[in-house]
Amino acid sequence: SQTIHQWPATLVQPVGSPLSLECTVEGTSNPNLYWYRQAAGRGLQLLFYSVGIGQISSEVPQNLSASRPQDRQFILSSKKLLLSDSGFYLCAWNPGNTIYFGEGSWLTVV
Amino acid sequence: GQQLNQSPQSMFIQEGEDVSMNCTSSSIFNTWLWYKQEPGEGPVLLIALYKAGELTSNGRLTAQFGITRKDSFLNISASIPSDVGIYFCAGHNNAGNMLTFGGGTRLMVKP
Repeated sequence: SQTIHQWPATLVQPVGSPLSLECTVEGTSNPNLYWYRQAAGRGLQLLFYSVGIGQISSEVPQNLSASRPQDRQFILSSKKLLLSDSGFYLCAWNPGNTIYFGEGSWLTVV
Repeated sequence: GQQLNQSPQSMFIQEGEDVSMNCTSSSIFNTWLWYKQEPGEGPVLLIALYKAGELTSNGRLTAQFGITRKDSFLNISASIPSDVGIYFCAGHNNAGNMLTFGGGTRLMVKP
């Protein structure tokens, strides 16, 4: 069966520090992969999606970037974090018309 | 772009009560999905609807795909404290690889 994992689950980073969140999918090949952000108690905002290795589409201009170095790996990065980057980050993949989410990563920028 | 209007934004109910929430869109969708998100976790798929008019149940949950393909509702019967969370609707129109999400309904259940 297919599973999706992301890590770390929680991190506290100072302003100006770099960020790397990693997501991997198991049990499938060539998945569509997504990064969402969710502010506390709010809805889901699509940040990036990828349909294949090295193919990244950005939905909103921001301080973040994404990369897909391998078929089932999706990485969310920042060179210098801002306070406004704090939030709950979710990786997801879609088989067909549904989306399945990872466990989420809480980022607090201090 | 497409938008999903989900209502209500929040509900505070007594244990045992039934709950109803819905999503409406100005555009047609071919798939409607309902997710539940508990605090600190990713959303989990509850029900997927693929046909206009389809009515699907999952335990105490029932969801329907509107005939016009522009709306969907989710009902929870006999609510219990573990139903607490944020419920999201999402629509897919087969164009591209994106889902459109509603803003969520925060459900609170008083024991």
